[in-house]
Amino acid sequence: NAGVTQTPKFQVLKTGQSMTLQCAQDMNHNSMYWYRQDPGMGLRLIYYSASEGTTDKGEVPNGYNVSRLNKREFSLRLESAAPSQTSVYFCASSEWGLAGGYANEQFFGPGTRLTVL
Amino acid sequence: KNQVEQSPQSLIILEGKNCTLQCNYTVSPFSNLRWYKQDTGRGPVSLTIMTFSENTKSNGRYTATLDADTKQSSLHITASQLSDSASYICVVSAWGNAGKSTFGDGTTLTVKP
Repeated sequence: NAGVTQTPKFQVLKTGQSMTLQCAQDMNHNSMYWYRQDPGMGLRLIYYSASEGTTDKGEVPNGYNVSRLNKREFSLRLESAAPSQTSVYFCASSEWGLAGGYANEQFFGPGTRLTVL
Repeated sequence: KNQVEQSPQSLIILEGKNCTLQCNYTVSPFSNLRWYKQDTGRGPVSLTIMTFSENTKSNGRYTATLDADTKQSSLHITASQLSDSASYICVVSAWGNAGKSTFGDGTTLTVKP
């Protein structure tokens, strides 16, 4: 099992360019998440998908869009990149406990390091 | 507002020594508390997960404790190794809000030979 995989590992964009970060998991989890991590700060939730077909905004959704393509894949799109979006992006997946009442252990991907010039 | 505060922000210890990291939270209604280890340049990896009814859980040399009354948790590392150098993150989830766990900023541990 590969767990959670992310592509690309590194990316440099110019301001205004667009790109899509890809994430896939092979653990048959229902829930998937996108976080960003800035130096010296905790992980902040951008968007999450509780189950296939649903997506919800997290703490910092502005400037991003997501697509839950199927149960395995959850992509994050930057439509017009800005220098403030320079960060490390992590995708994660988990199961829910007791029919969605609480978050269970999350499994994280290796991250995508994005620089916007 | 749900918050998770970790202390200290950073810590340096000698190999073989023990250390304890702290986590205070105000998340409500409490569901579970998780500790993660994040090596430099990698994604976080789960160490322990504790629910309301659990007050201690071990994973090898890592032991987490939880006091739900005072809303405090600690992560104790025994006989530290150089490979323990990492950031340790405390994460707390509330009932009915499964998608939005609250993350602490982490404690950076450096183990020196």
